[in-house]
Amino acid sequence: DTAVSQTPKYLVTQMGNDKSIKCEQNLGHDTMYWYKQDSKKFLKIMFSYNNKELIINETVPNRFSPKSPDKAHLNLHINSLELGDSAVYFCASSLTGELFFGEGSRLTVL
Amino acid sequence: GENVEQHPSTLSVQEGDSAVIKCTYSDSASNYFPWYKQELGKGPQLIIDIRSNVGEKKDQRIAVTLNKTAKHFSLHITETQPEDSAVYFCAASKDNAGNMLTFGGGTRLMVKP
Repeated sequence: DTAVSQTPKYLVTQMGNDKSIKCEQNLGHDTMYWYKQDSKKFLKIMFSYNNKELIINETVPNRFSPKSPDKAHLNLHINSLELGDSAVYFCASSLTGELFFGEGSRLTVL
Repeated sequence: GENVEQHPSTLSVQEGDSAVIKCTYSDSASNYFPWYKQELGKGPQLIIDIRSNVGEKKDQRIAVTLNKTAKHFSLHITETQPEDSAVYFCAASKDNAGNMLTFGGGTRLMVKP
């Protein structure tokens, strides 16, 4: 009964490909996020959704497109992958204040 | 926008010693300051947080202090144990819902037995 689960955990792909990462939370939270953690461990918010509506969209290339089919799911689709997209992507959810993170999806672009 | 700086980037202590991690923030409107612990291969997990209406908060071996005038806050871990070894992140936000958290760069804490 994992609270925030994301799949896949590891993803290795070639430059130029398109890939998706899925996230689901069973906490009943209204808000979900995508964070990117680079090789130096720096954590940066990418997107935030509240009740399926986009509320935060940081300066992220439009190759990244989040999709929230319902408030328990927030998926991340990435088009035309580049080397610099290699990172760990974390999904998170919150109700008030505390963020609950998934275990991360490590994307490696070759 | 908000900028959060965290020091040191790595910290090595002997088991039983104390560890202190410091953060500064730039936006005086920030009012919520959480600390997250990230163990190897896991997502970050909240360990303690403080809001701008208090100066100090303690939870067993962990304490956080906040100096709003100087715009800095610190994490104190006493009687460190090997299981405290992890990467610690401070963060700051202008809203209590944590919607727009800006994280510091992280501190890798190593507790040597």
